[in-house]
Amino acid sequence: KNEVEQSPQNLTAQEEEFITINCSYSVGISALHWLQQHPGGGIVSLFMLSSGKKKHGRLIATINIQEKHSSLHITASHPRDSAVYICAVSNFGNEKLTFGTGTRLTIIP
Amino acid sequence: NAGVTQTPKFQVLKTGQSMTLQCAQDMNHNSMYWYRQDPGMGLRLIYYSASEGTTDKGEVPNGYNVSRLNKREFSLRLESAAPSQTSVYFCASGKGRTASNQPQHFGDGTRLSIL
Repeated sequence: KNEVEQSPQNLTAQEEEFITINCSYSVGISALHWLQQHPGGGIVSLFMLSSGKKKHGRLIATINIQEKHSSLHITASHPRDSAVYICAVSNFGNEKLTFGTGTRLTIIP
Repeated sequence: NAGVTQTPKFQVLKTGQSMTLQCAQDMNHNSMYWYRQDPGMGLRLIYYSASEGTTDKGEVPNGYNVSRLNKREFSLRLESAAPSQTSVYFCASGKGRTASNQPQHFGDGTRLSIL
């Protein structure tokens, strides 16, 4: 079974700071997913990537397949970015996801 | 666009009671999933359905049953609720193996408390 670890577990930062959340996994994957869960509870998919880098607005996701590691970056962070960010991986030949425990991000005005 | 709709949003049960959590998706997805989310743990798969008429156990299936009623609907049943089943439950859907590596779409969750 793939083990997915995220760090840090909790992160508090000032508005406008550059944020980095890390995810590592133990076994080769077909894709890595970054999800966002707001205090209201709903979960939305932010990125899905299998190589390189993707960017959407102020969010950037990168993955290093050789090192089994991904990072989620937020530039010019804002209080509305406060949420739990969840990393998940899908394994070859298997559509099911394995989830990390999440990183709780709080951005202070 | 409704996406994935779960009902109810909140429920309190007494130990031993039964209930069914409903989930419906309007995206014509093949695969549907039920997860539970507990503090300090990642989402864990309870059951999933790769297509209409099929269901399979996930990581934590004990105490639960599911029904894939049709392509749109996937219900989760607790036959005799236990306090250990207090959790937040999420339903999700995805295109499935025919469109590999597609994101899953989640419902808003059901917060269930068992007293």
